[in-house]
Amino acid sequence: AQKVTQAQTEISVVEKEDVTLDCVYETRDTTYYLFWYKQPPSGELVFLIRRNSFDEQNEISGRYSWNFQKSTSSFNFTITASQVVDSAVYFCALSGRTNAGKSTFGDGTTLTVKP
Amino acid sequence: KAGVTQTPRYLIKTRGQQVTLSCSPISGHRSVSWYQQTPGQGLQFLFEYFSETQRNKGNFPGRFSGRQFSNSRSEMNVSTLELGDSALYLCASSLDLAGGNEQYFGPGTRLTVT
Repeated sequence: AQKVTQAQTEISVVEKEDVTLDCVYETRDTTYYLFWYKQPPSGELVFLIRRNSFDEQNEISGRYSWNFQKSTSSFNFTITASQVVDSAVYFCALSGRTNAGKSTFGDGTTLTVKP
Repeated sequence: KAGVTQTPRYLIKTRGQQVTLSCSPISGHRSVSWYQQTPGQGLQFLFEYFSETQRNKGNFPGRFSGRQFSNSRSEMNVSTLELGDSALYLCASSLDLAGGNEQYFGPGTRLTVT
């Protein structure tokens, strides 16, 4: 069985602070994929990034960066110099080699960025 | 490219009634999945369809069903509604069944059962 744990239920920061959202996963698959999605107040989940189990290279995209570590089964997400528009619920998700549509989602972390 | 569309956006139903929700995937996407989102349970997988066949099903009672049409559009049906069915129902489409495909989500249908 697959499991995704996002231990941080809610995080509140002041604009321009850096913030890291934690994601820990469990799977018995040797091939798997990890995702981060953002759900703004409008409700529509937006895909942010995908990582496969064979690629532990960290990635940076603007103010966003992701740290994937198989040794600790973690896929953490850092927002640098946070902005009010970053306020949203962030979900980490896990899928196996097939059937991306059956992804297992964490419970989400609600990030509030205050001006 | 148009995104995933879901209709209706809001629904209010009475306990015991049934409801049908519709989802149109992104053009060219053949896999459609449905999720139920509630404050207490988070995002729960309902089912996934590909080529008009249900490929996976989550842990939901038989009152929840769905289907996919030849144009990849999908519907889900909930019969004998219960108060606990009140939720945001999200549809997501992806290119095919490959595990590495990201999902594109629609805005959801918010169902309220009274």
